[in-house]
Amino acid sequence: EVKLVESGGGLVQPGGSLRISCVASGFALSEYWAFWVRQAPGKAPVWVSRINIDGSSADYADSVKGRFTASRDNAKRTVYLQMNSLRAEDTAVYYCAIPPFDIWGRGTMVTVSS
Amino acid sequence: DVVMTQSPLSLAVTLGQPASISCKSSQTLEYSDGNVYLNWIQQRPGQSPRRLIYEVSIRDSGVPDRFSGTGSATDFTLKISRVEAEDVGIYYCMQGTHWPPITFGQGTRLEIK
Repeated sequence: EVKLVESGGGLVQPGGSLRISCVASGFALSEYWAFWVRQAPGKAPVWVSRINIDGSSADYADSVKGRFTASRDNAKRTVYLQMNSLRAEDTAVYYCAIPPFDIWGRGTMVTVSS
Repeated sequence: DVVMTQSPLSLAVTLGQPASISCKSSQTLEYSDGNVYLNWIQQRPGQSPRRLIYEVSIRDSGVPDRFSGTGSATDFTLKISRVEAEDVGIYYCMQGTHWPPITFGQGTRLEIK
């Protein structure tokens, strides 16, 4: 079965850090770019980041640039999103997705609050 | 960034009746390879997004044929020929032509009248 499973979300204080992960199964993650998309409660999804196949290049939404870093370990079939200097507006469910966006994970909730 | 604008933002439909959602993009979504990377995404309550239709009109595996997508350039439509209870949720159009970033419409909430 083709699957993505995110983990690592939780409650963190403003200014804190968190690393979330996305593990792939049932397909070769190493052959695909990987995207992070987040969805704040009651809002539409918003693109956060993308990382290329070998992890040598990544792009970020302006709202997270300089604070978030995407990486991957193809041997572990895992992509990561390191999130630093977290703000209340980063509160959302974070999904990983594989283009052409027929594969989405179940998401992991990140809550930034004191 | 490409802005995706959906209408209506909510829709209440009687079971068995049709539904239609419009999506307009701020730029043409035709890519240099001739394809149009416009997806329709369904999100049922409490669930992850799920792609229903890609490249304007191609249904994903397992998607009932009551769902259809049409359109070109900047104007696109998702139609449900006969709404069923399992269709309740939010529908988003999403463009993958001009990225980064991929962009989504605001969503259309479908409920049963």
